[in-house]
Amino acid sequence: KAGVTQTPRYLIKTRGQQVTLSCSPISGHRSVSWYQQTPGQGLQFLFEYFSETQRNKGNFPGRFSGRQFSNSRSEMNVSTLELGDSALYLCASSFINTGELFFGEGSRLTVL
Amino acid sequence: DQQVKQNSPSLSVQEGRISILNCDYTNSMFDYFLWYKKYPAEGPTFLISISSIKDKNEDGRFTVFLNKSAKHLSLHIVPSQPGDSAVYFCAASEEDTGANSKLTFGKGITLSVRP
Repeated sequence: KAGVTQTPRYLIKTRGQQVTLSCSPISGHRSVSWYQQTPGQGLQFLFEYFSETQRNKGNFPGRFSGRQFSNSRSEMNVSTLELGDSALYLCASSFINTGELFFGEGSRLTVL
Repeated sequence: DQQVKQNSPSLSVQEGRISILNCDYTNSMFDYFLWYKKYPAEGPTFLISISSIKDKNEDGRFTVFLNKSAKHLSLHIVPSQPGDSAVYFCAASEEDTGANSKLTFGKGITLSVRP
């Protein structure tokens, strides 16, 4: 079956702009979580959605937000972009509470 | 403050030998631990996990050992193969069933297996 799909794969924005990233989970998976990967900080948890509700949130400013739709697809939004937001944003889905996350290939955001 | 630490950034081993990847954690609330492997331009893929009620879990060539008193876990790969060359991430969760997608990751270790 198809894996986790993230779009767009690459994008370039300028400071102050906003960006929306999309994630389609594996069919049947109801939990979607987002992670930010940077060389200095590694993989950091952003938030998790389950059945359209945010279930967990990491330590990121309010400029980072997300949502989940009834078909389990998820989007994350970053407003007022800063240079430090340049990173690989990874989406992961899971079927039940197993801790085994299935990751997409990520969306690489560059902020100029 | 990094709660999951992979202190060695890289490891190089000969094909056929054992690879031992180490991970330390500081948060006593962590009850479930996982290892992920990541190839360039791909997302991380799940390798193996262990609950805090166990001290060892084995899956084929991969074995994870957990020492709760030392807050230390290790991943053993035997025998190592060139295809194992990748970045390995240690991760931890505060739910003993892993019923929580909020994982805390280490910064990863790059394993190179020489033919």
